[in-house]
Amino acid sequence: GENVEQHPSTLSVQEGDSAVIKCTYSDSASNYFPWYKQELGKGPQLIIDIRSNVGEKKDQRIAVTLNKTAKHFSLHITETQPEDSAVYFCAASIKGGTASKLTFGTGTRLQVTL
Amino acid sequence: DGGITQSPKYLFRKEGQNVTLSCEQNLNHDAMYWYRQDPGQGLRLIYYSQIVNDFQKGDIAEGYSVSREKKESFPLTVTSAQKNPTAFYLCASSILVGIGTEAFFGQGTRLTVV
Repeated sequence: GENVEQHPSTLSVQEGDSAVIKCTYSDSASNYFPWYKQELGKGPQLIIDIRSNVGEKKDQRIAVTLNKTAKHFSLHITETQPEDSAVYFCAASIKGGTASKLTFGTGTRLQVTL
Repeated sequence: DGGITQSPKYLFRKEGQNVTLSCEQNLNHDAMYWYRQDPGQGLRLIYYSQIVNDFQKGDIAEGYSVSREKKESFPLTVTSAQKNPTAFYLCASSILVGIGTEAFFGQGTRLTVV
């Protein structure tokens, strides 16, 4: 099955700096890669996603890049703000078939300090 | 408001007792999922369902059971056979399994065995 590794497990940046979280996946058939943000005591919420036919996607201060050859994808947050502090999860999904499902990374706790 | 509702938010159970966690969605989604979240381990899939009266085991189904009698509802029972049931449980739904669509999460149920 799919295996997703995520690094780092914790990340501390100063307000205004950039933050980068990296994930690798094992199954070359995976073709959908969402990123979720989870605030304390709440369920994860989708912040951005990318499909395998695209190399990069940007939404305001958030961007995701995908390298299919190397089987890794990254989340980039620029001009970080205190409200960006949360746990971020990457995931990978294979298209089609009854066995398809999201496999999540282990999460990155991002702390944005003033 | 459309969304996923999990209840209760906090649940305490004595060892040896079964307990059922509720998950209801009014998004008209076909697929529903149950995940377990433990510190440092990300989200692990327990069960998922694509259609009423059908469901499949995820990666950690032992000690759990589910039913899908209605499209809107996907309750999870944590049985006494689950050796380490204390965890944060998340329910999610999406349009369809396997075509790479956003999964919407509930706010979670924190189960503690006392």
